[in-house]
Amino acid sequence: QSALTQPPSASGSPGQSVSISCTGTSSDIGGYNYVSWYQQHPGKAPKLIIYGVSKRPSGVPDRFSGSKSGNTAYLTVSGLQAEDEADYHCGSFAGTSWLFGGGTKLTIL
Amino acid sequence: EVQLVESGGGLIQPGGSLRLSCAASGFTFSTSDMHWIRQVPGKTLEWVSAIGTAGQTFYIDSVRGRFTMSRENAKNSVYLQMNSLRGEDTAVYYCGRVKWEVRTLDIWGQGTMVTVSS
Repeated sequence: QSALTQPPSASGSPGQSVSISCTGTSSDIGGYNYVSWYQQHPGKAPKLIIYGVSKRPSGVPDRFSGSKSGNTAYLTVSGLQAEDEADYHCGSFAGTSWLFGGGTKLTIL
Repeated sequence: EVQLVESGGGLIQPGGSLRLSCAASGFTFSTSDMHWIRQVPGKTLEWVSAIGTAGQTFYIDSVRGRFTMSRENAKNSVYLQMNSLRGEDTAVYYCGRVKWEVRTLDIWGQGTMVTVSS
């Protein structure tokens, strides 16, 4: 069970947009529409921001959006704000287990 | 308030045992699948184990045979009994609730730190 692959870092200036990729296989991301994204600030627990590839829980700004193409999922953050600086983790159901990516640190320039 | 609160972490020597607890409140625990996820120093999250509403359990290969997950619906709690601990088990351990219809961890606890070291 290999972890999903994310870039270690991403950055953007306030107001800009940034996309973070998450690559898996046909046994996880490509096989199910059960991709989630979690935001984690330092010293805090992960917080769900996207589920079911592109759905947002109540209270999550629509600046956060998700998509998927084949075995790769994407998180896009539009209109970057200072409080978006955090680690972002992708996750996927994989049949009888769950997989996570290595996390991407988003820096607001 | 929807909440998960973990406890039981600490410093333990290699080969030792530890039991983590997770107390749930604010949602219907007995009909919820519960999971343990760990985060090694740095940032990688790793799914560890899961328990279904009927008590069926699932584990990642590296802990199978050493860790045992259980639940006690009367106390709205899940547990993780960790035996034969190794240095690579050092991590913050989070419990989480899975919303099964969308296969997502929608509620997370604050985590409890487990350090395996002599």
